[in-house]
Amino acid sequence: GAGVSQTPSNKVTEKGKYVELRCDPISGHTALYWYRQSLGQGPEFLIYFQGTGAADDSGLPNDRFFAVRPEGSVSTLKIQRTERGDSAVYLCASSLKGDTQYFGPGTRLTVL
Amino acid sequence: TQLLEQSPQFLSIQEGENLTVYCNSSSVFSSLQWYRQEPGEGPVLLVTVVTGGEVKKLKRLTFQFGDARKDSSLHITAAQPGDTGLYLCAGARGGSNYKLTFGKGTLLTVNP
Repeated sequence: GAGVSQTPSNKVTEKGKYVELRCDPISGHTALYWYRQSLGQGPEFLIYFQGTGAADDSGLPNDRFFAVRPEGSVSTLKIQRTERGDSAVYLCASSLKGDTQYFGPGTRLTVL
Repeated sequence: TQLLEQSPQFLSIQEGENLTVYCNSSSVFSSLQWYRQEPGEGPVLLVTVVTGGEVKKLKRLTFQFGDARKDSSLHITAAQPGDTGLYLCAGARGGSNYKLTFGKGTLLTVNP
């Protein structure tokens, strides 16, 4: 079956611009997660959704970052006023009720 | 300070050799997971260990969880070029089993 998909696969933007990154989880998975992986680092937790609500957003670095999951399926990570330090691969994962997390291929964000 | 320290950071070996990589922490984890990540892809779960002292085998890969649940090792026997990749360990703590903390990973290259 289809795995987690993320779009776009690559995004290049200029400092100060707004970006949206999309995640389509595995069908039927109620839990969804966003991670950020900087070069040479392991993934870093950003936010966890159970259904439509953000159960834990403690990993969001500041108020420029926001994520939604309005219908409990697709999620969008939104970054306002992007900075060069936001450049990273943004990974999405989903799981069935919070067990094994299945990761998507990620969106590589480059802020010039 | 990295919560999970992985060593070595880089490892390049010849096909057929054995190797061990380590994941260490001063913190106790309720479970620990090992992932393999290939370029342009998200991490793929290899194994989850939950009991102190637990040993799990997956073909040529042997995973061990320390007695105190603070560290883990991954041993590969007779490495093959297909084993090449970034090996990441990730721990979950207490009531936040969904919130994985990743190490920086060990980048393994197996040369034919």
